[in-house]
Amino acid sequence: EVQLVESGGGLVQPGGSLRLSCAASGFTFSRHAMSWVRQAPGKGLEWVSSINNSGGKTYYADLVKGRFTISRDQFKNTVFLQVNSLRAEDTAVYYCARDGGSCGGDCNPYWYFDLWGRGALVTVSS
Amino acid sequence: SYELTQSPSVSVSPGQTASIACSGDNLANKHACWYQQRPGQSPVLVIYQDNKRPSGIPERFSGSNSGNTATLTISGTQAMDEADYYCQAWDSTTVAFGGGTKLTVL
Repeated sequence: EVQLVESGGGLVQPGGSLRLSCAASGFTFSRHAMSWVRQAPGKGLEWVSSINNSGGKTYYADLVKGRFTISRDQFKNTVFLQVNSLRAEDTAVYYCARDGGSCGGDCNPYWYFDLWGRGALVTVSS
Repeated sequence: SYELTQSPSVSVSPGQTASIACSGDNLANKHACWYQQRPGQSPVLVIYQDNKRPSGIPERFSGSNSGNTATLTISGTQAMDEADYYCQAWDSTTVAFGGGTKLTVL
């Protein structure tokens, strides 16, 4: 089955850290860029970060640059988001999403998301 | 940063046509896409690259993009189409989402 499954969410104090994971299955992971998109409670979607299919290029929203790090493990078919220096406003459901483009080699993302996970809730509170 | 603007809500009667607009500077020169999100569920891609439908998305969903406005059109709207709809585009390595439009099928 083609799916993405996030894990690693939870309750963390302000200033704390978490590592979110997204396990992919059912498709050729190395051919797709991957992204993280978050949604605060009752709010809209907000792009957080992306990584191209090879892992050689990463992209970040200004709000998280310097605090979050995206990476991927091609052997484990998993993408990660290391989130540091967490703030109350980082509280959200964090979705993993697959880029709709598929290519070999070192490619740029196509910048649309055709497969989403169920999300992992991150709550930042003391 | 690049910004996309959507009306907060749109209402439509069953069987009628719903149009949801998304505005952004020079949006026609970027590829717009649309997501449907039902309450408590993850987003689903319904239109990509302005007007393409992913496999499994009903033909009643269509998209267009001209000037500064992209439009999602739902023909013959059904009760199951009631959801939040988000537009999205990419600009200089920044991904922007619109604020979302709540579609109510009355």
